[in-house]
Amino acid sequence: DTEVTQTPKHLVMGMTNKKSLKCEQHMGHRAMYWYKQKAKKPPELMFVYSYEKLSINESVPSRFSPECPNSSLLNLHLHALQPEDSALYLCASSGMIAGGADTQYFGPGTRLTVL
Amino acid sequence: DQQVKQNSPSLSVQEGRISILNCDYTNSMFDYFLWYKKYPAEGPTFLISISSIKDKNEDGRFTVFLNKSAKHLSLHIVPSQPGDSAVYFCAAGTLGGYQKVTFGTGTKLQVIP
Repeated sequence: DTEVTQTPKHLVMGMTNKKSLKCEQHMGHRAMYWYKQKAKKPPELMFVYSYEKLSINESVPSRFSPECPNSSLLNLHLHALQPEDSALYLCASSGMIAGGADTQYFGPGTRLTVL
Repeated sequence: DQQVKQNSPSLSVQEGRISILNCDYTNSMFDYFLWYKKYPAEGPTFLISISSIKDKNEDGRFTVFLNKSAKHLSLHIVPSQPGDSAVYFCAAGTLGGYQKVTFGTGTKLQVIP
């Protein structure tokens, strides 16, 4: 089973709203990732959690706030977003091997529209 | 600075023929390479990977070739099927530490029945 689930599938929010994206995996993976993908562009890494600790933040604005409550769950809290933040937000997870993180498996994404 | 490049934004291939997707990289620190397939409105699906100690890896209809001296890799799909029509992303990273993967710009493959 290589399934990563994400909710909601679609989200429309205003610039003053607060919302959260959720990601879940039950593969026992200890690394989890958030990516942002704009149309016709490759996925861009935002955050990496390893063993529930934030290990990489790719200089993401503070209006995006990640949280890893346990080894299976990853949240992305959104507040005061801008229209240019509209994108597909992808979650991924990977196992950890001796040399580091293993292959990443992606969820289906949340299509976010900021009005 | 695009460290992973896929110079062909699109490719059309007849069903049953070979599809060859190409990828070039500039960072010599990369030692782990992956190919993902992506359908619209879905997340990328892992296809196949290769580490820099190998020059070829096969999995069914999919074969990835790595030419380290040229900093070039390619994905061969034989035979191509209409269900293979998707956007293919090449990705590269380093095995040490956390796998911070850099994606290429993608190639849209259309397999014509």
